[in-house]
Amino acid sequence: SQTIHQWPATLVQPVGSPLSLECTVEGTSNPNLYWYRQAAGRGLQLLFYSVGIGQISSEVPQNLSASRPQDRQFILSSKKLLLSDSGFYLCAWRKQGVRETQYFGPGTRLLVL
Amino acid sequence: KQEVTQIPAALSVPEGENLVLNCSFTDSAIYNLQWFRQDPGKGLTSLLLIQSSQREQTSGRLNASLDKSSGRSTLYIAASQPGDSATYLCAVKEYRGGSEKLVFGKGTKLTVNP
Repeated sequence: SQTIHQWPATLVQPVGSPLSLECTVEGTSNPNLYWYRQAAGRGLQLLFYSVGIGQISSEVPQNLSASRPQDRQFILSSKKLLLSDSGFYLCAWRKQGVRETQYFGPGTRLLVL
Repeated sequence: KQEVTQIPAALSVPEGENLVLNCSFTDSAIYNLQWFRQDPGKGLTSLLLIQSSQREQTSGRLNASLDKSSGRSTLYIAASQPGDSATYLCAVKEYRGGSEKLVFGKGTKLTVNP
């Protein structure tokens, strides 16, 4: 069976510090991978998605970047965090095929102070 | 631009009651619609996925309907239980210009009181 992992589960970082959140998927190959952010009072917002190694699409301009160094690894990064980067970050994957469902990871709670 | 709205934002019911959660979307050009459940501080769990050509899906006590032409979906929960307490999210999948996207509503927070 397939599983998706995210770490860390919780992170408190000062403004201006760097960020690296990791997501890995097990039990499948060549998945589509996604990063979402869920801010208080707002719906989930798609940040990045990837259809293959080294292929990243950004949905919104922002202070964050994403990378996919391996088939089942997706990393969300920032060089300098802003207060507005606080939120709940969710990674998701799905099989190839536009009708397939997305499966979500447990999330990372980020608080920027 | 696709917008997804969920009504009500919060709902509190006694155990055993049947209930309906509503979702509406502004652009009917969707691939599918999905209902998710999110427990506090947790990720999302997929409940039901309705393809654009379908009108409803059922899983246990859950039934979701889709009326694509009117831009509406409902999630029906029968005989609600305290364990059903969670936030329920509706999302539509679009496919535009070679890229796909799930557009989410803000959710309905459901509390089922024992």
